[in-house]
Amino acid sequence: GAGVSQTPSNKVTEKGKYVELRCDPISGHTALYWYRQSLGQGPEFLIYFQGTGAADDSGLPNDRFFAVRPEGSVSTLKIQRTERGDSAVYLCASSLVSSGANVLTFGAGSRLTVL
Amino acid sequence: GQQVMQIPQYQHVQEGEDFTTYCNSSTTLSNIQWYKQRPGGHPVFLIQLVKSGEVKKQKRLTFQFGEAKKNSSLHITATQTTDVGTYFCVGRDDKIIFGKGTRLHILP
Repeated sequence: GAGVSQTPSNKVTEKGKYVELRCDPISGHTALYWYRQSLGQGPEFLIYFQGTGAADDSGLPNDRFFAVRPEGSVSTLKIQRTERGDSAVYLCASSLVSSGANVLTFGAGSRLTVL
Repeated sequence: GQQVMQIPQYQHVQEGEDFTTYCNSSTTLSNIQWYKQRPGGHPVFLIQLVKSGEVKKQKRLTFQFGEAKKNSSLHITATQTTDVGTYFCVGRDDKIIFGKGTRLHILP
């Protein structure tokens, strides 16, 4: 596609529920990144994929968070047993390759609210 | 681990005044990128600096990369209301680390 697409744009859920957030990167971009942004804060790195594999998942806060990218394009961020502290905007970005020379193109984000 | 610190956290300026934000890393960076996020929007790429001491200009914006490749600055001349937003520096090394950003507010 022309840009990075994220769905849903807004998700309201109850504490303890399971949530999936989807990211469709720019066609041909091999690197895909997930960030989490709370109000007034900078994007916090969660995980990045190079192709199908998670090259660095050191930012995932705990084992309730998991992300996949089975075919090397679309990625899904999965959050189990959601907590109120998980409320944030989840941003996805893609780049042509994962080298330092490439630009991140961000999607509009998925705003998650856990009641 | 690598940390990228950005100051100031907030800046209020009168329209027409200049503005500068500074970014400092605890480690040497291979390059640094700057992004702008408008209120309610997502980060958008502005520029990348790679060489030691590099200076790049985009109209009223001037970006610098320090000689030691550990710091960078963004300077805006004669701010306009369209400059409102949060400016992030991103240290590109083994991880892609965002600073906390500098939120620029323009007073009319």
